[in-house]
Amino acid sequence: DAKTTQPNSMESNEEEPVHLPCNHSTISGTDYIHWYRQLPSQGPEYVIHGLTSNVNNRMASLAIAEDRKSSTLILHRATLRDAAVYYCILTNNNAGNMLTFGGGTRLMVKP
Amino acid sequence: DSGVTQTPKHLITATGQRVTLRCSPRSGDLSVYWYQQSLDQGLQFLIQYYNGEERAKGNILERFSAQQFPDLHSELNLSSLELGDSALYFCASSSWGNNEQFFGPGTRLTVL
Repeated sequence: DAKTTQPNSMESNEEEPVHLPCNHSTISGTDYIHWYRQLPSQGPEYVIHGLTSNVNNRMASLAIAEDRKSSTLILHRATLRDAAVYYCILTNNNAGNMLTFGGGTRLMVKP
Repeated sequence: DSGVTQTPKHLITATGQRVTLRCSPRSGDLSVYWYQQSLDQGLQFLIQYYNGEERAKGNILERFSAQQFPDLHSELNLSSLELGDSALYFCASSSWGNNEQFFGPGTRLTVL
């Protein structure tokens, strides 16, 4: 399985943009890049996903490198509610789409 | 609210016992996934069902089994429980061809 590498933790100030990096150098052509987050005492929550092009939704933006070996999740204005563990995960439709969670990045947001 | 429900919320039992965790997927979702989250192992995929059939298997112990019923709800059976089985168990659901999984609130299992 292709693996992802993320920093263990990051800190941000409230209302500032946050860029969460993810490296996935062994990604295959059919792997999707997913981001989920887990708020304290809750189940994981889908954030965004993409294949090759950058993606935007109401929660975040996903910037994918041209060679697809890395990606960045962008939260445009961090709020205290965005404090969570963010997981970057590769999935493959041929393998059943199960999510293989790594350690993720714990994002702390300071008021 | 993801639309996925799990019961019970909490479960306390003794070693050697057997328990059943229940999951109701979002309306219309045919795929159900089970995950285990423990302090030492993190979040791990256990098993996936699609429309009643097993689709993929992860790090699921032989003491654990699951099934998906015709009404699409799923049950995870854990038997011969050990202290190390204490964890949060999450169920997630998705529709076919949709990459997004919706997670339930989890069942916290404590084995004493």
